[in-house]
Parts: sequence; C-alpha cells; structure tokens
Amino acid sequence: SQTIHQWPATLVQPVGSPLSLECTVEGTSNPNLYWYRQAAGRGLQLLFYSVGIGQISSEVPQNLSASRPQDRQFILSSKKLLLSDSGFYLCAWSVHGGRNEQYFGPGTRLTVT
Amino acid sequence: GQQLNQSPQSMFIQEGEDVSMNCTSSSIFNTWLWYKQDPGEGPVLLIALYKAGELTSNGRLTAQFGITRKDSFLNISASIPSDVGIYFCAGQLSGGSNYKLTFGKGTLLTVNP
Repeated sequence: SQTIHQWPATLVQPVGSPLSLECTVEGTSNPNLYWYRQAAGRGLQLLFYSVGIGQISSEVPQNLSASRPQDRQFILSSKKLLLSDSGFYLCAWSVHGGRNEQYFGPGTRLTVT
Repeated sequence: GQQLNQSPQSMFIQEGEDVSMNCTSSSIFNTWLWYKQDPGEGPVLLIALYKAGELTSNGRLTAQFGITRKDSFLNISASIPSDVGIYFCAGQLSGGSNYKLTFGKGTLLTVNP
C-alpha cells in the first residue's frame, strides 16, 4: 500500500530564515505530487504540482519554490520566510495518468515569528 | 478562479442524528471527492464520484454526484462522536486541468454525545 510522509511535523522559524519541507511517497512510482497551504480559515490553496522529476508547475506567485529531485520526493523551500508564510502545509499525491484522487500527508505546521 | 459553495459552514448535532451537507457550483465538474480532516492532520479521502447521478456509500456515509454535474451531497447516518471534524468537497472541472482540484471551504461538524 502507499504511504506519504512529511517532515518536520511542526516548525517555528524566524522571519528571514530559510525553509525546507520534505515530502516522500512510498509504494508507488511516478506519482503526481502536490503542495498545498491551509490557512486558519480552512481553505486549501494549491501552491505547486509536479507530474515528473524536475517538472514543477507553480500556481501562485509567492515567496516559495518547489523541487522534485527524485521520483517520490517533493521539497518546498524558501530563501527568506515572511510572517505570511505561516500555515499548515500539506503534501499530496495522485496516480500519474489515473483519476485525480489526491491522497494527503499528515502536514507540517509552520509558524514564522 | 472557480469556486465551490459548501454548506453549511458548521453543524452542531446530537449523537445518533443524521447529517447532510452539500457543495454547489455554477460550473460543471467531472469528478467529485469528499474528504474528512481531523484537527492537526491531513484530509482523508472518504468517497470519490465520477458519473452524474452516481450514488456511493462508505459505511454510514453516502455521497451523490448531482445530475446537473454542478453539485454533490454527503450524508452521514447515525452520527457518532468520532465523526467530528471538517468535511471538504473537492471537484475537478470538466475541461480543466487533470491535476487540479477545486476545494470547498469545509463544513465543521460537532457531535454532542
């Protein structure tokens, strides 16, 4: 069966510091991968998605970037965090070429102080 | 962007009661998904729907793909305390990207024992 991992689970970072959040998927090959941010108001905002190694699509201009160095690894980064980057970050995967059923990881709670 | 109107925003019910929530849009969708999110965790996929008029059950949960393809409903029968959480609908727009989902803002369900 497939499993999706995210780490760290929680992170407190000062404004201006760098960020690296990691997501890995087990039990499947060549998945589509997604990064979402969930603000306190509950809505899920798609930030990036990737359909293959090195292929990244950005949905929202922002202070963040994403990379996919390996088939089942998706990384969310920032060079300098802003207060507005605080939130709950969710990674998800779906079957490449399949139906768009997205399966979410446990999330990372980021607080920028 | 496209919006899904999810209602109600919140519900307070007694254990044993049935629950109904829905999502509507002015746009046509070819996929409807329903998720549940527990506090501090990632959303979990409950039910996926792919055809207009389709009715699918998962235990005490039943969801329907509206015949107009612009809405979907989720019913929970005989609610129990562990049903507490936020329920999200998500849809894939007809003619839209195969990778993007549009999410509703969620229904917060509270069950009083």
